[in-house]
Amino acid sequence: DAKTTQPPSMDCAEGRAANLPCNHSTISGNEYVYWYRQIHSQGPQYIIHGLKNNETNEMASLIITEDRKSSTLILPHATLRDTAVYYCIVRVRSNFGNEKLTFGTGTRLTIIP
Amino acid sequence: ETGVTQSPTHLIKTRGQQVTLRCSSQSGHNTVSWYQQALGQGPQFIFQYYREEENGRGNFPPRFSGLQFPNYSSELNVNALELDDSALYLCASSTGLAFYNEQFFGPGTRLTVL
Repeated sequence: DAKTTQPPSMDCAEGRAANLPCNHSTISGNEYVYWYRQIHSQGPQYIIHGLKNNETNEMASLIITEDRKSSTLILPHATLRDTAVYYCIVRVRSNFGNEKLTFGTGTRLTIIP
Repeated sequence: ETGVTQSPTHLIKTRGQQVTLRCSSQSGHNTVSWYQQALGQGPQFIFQYYREEENGRGNFPPRFSGLQFPNYSSELNVNALELDDSALYLCASSTGLAFYNEQFFGPGTRLTVL
């Protein structure tokens, strides 16, 4: 799985959009970009994933650059409950099995009232 | 539909002892993965079970072993505990199918080895 680089920490004001960057310059053509977050003392929670097109769901938007070497997770209206560590992961999406997720140290996002 | 559950929530053991951690997967999921998360680090993959067979293993010694049962629940066993085994142990379940294989994590078991 390709390595990712994320800033160790970020702050964002409550109600504003939080934009979390991720660099994955060695990503392969068949590797997807996944985002998970981990709120303190809980298990990681799936947020969103994408291959090359931008994606949006009820939690967030994922913007992937055209060359796929970087991406940005956007939380459109951050709330205090969004304070968490956010992990960007790239991996091949297998048919079944071998679904190892390789976590880095992530970005600690703090939402400020 | 129930989510992923783990037991116990906290556990204290001494060095050299053995421990068994348990995980009940989300309804409809046949794949379980186990991760170890040391303080301040991201989770590290231990192994995965798919339909009762080990299907991938991370860089962990053989004293870390597991089982998956016909109902797809799972156990993680650690023998000869070491101080460095102190961590949060997470299990995650998924369907194992190509399109819907996002992993859903349980709350974890916090293991302290003294």
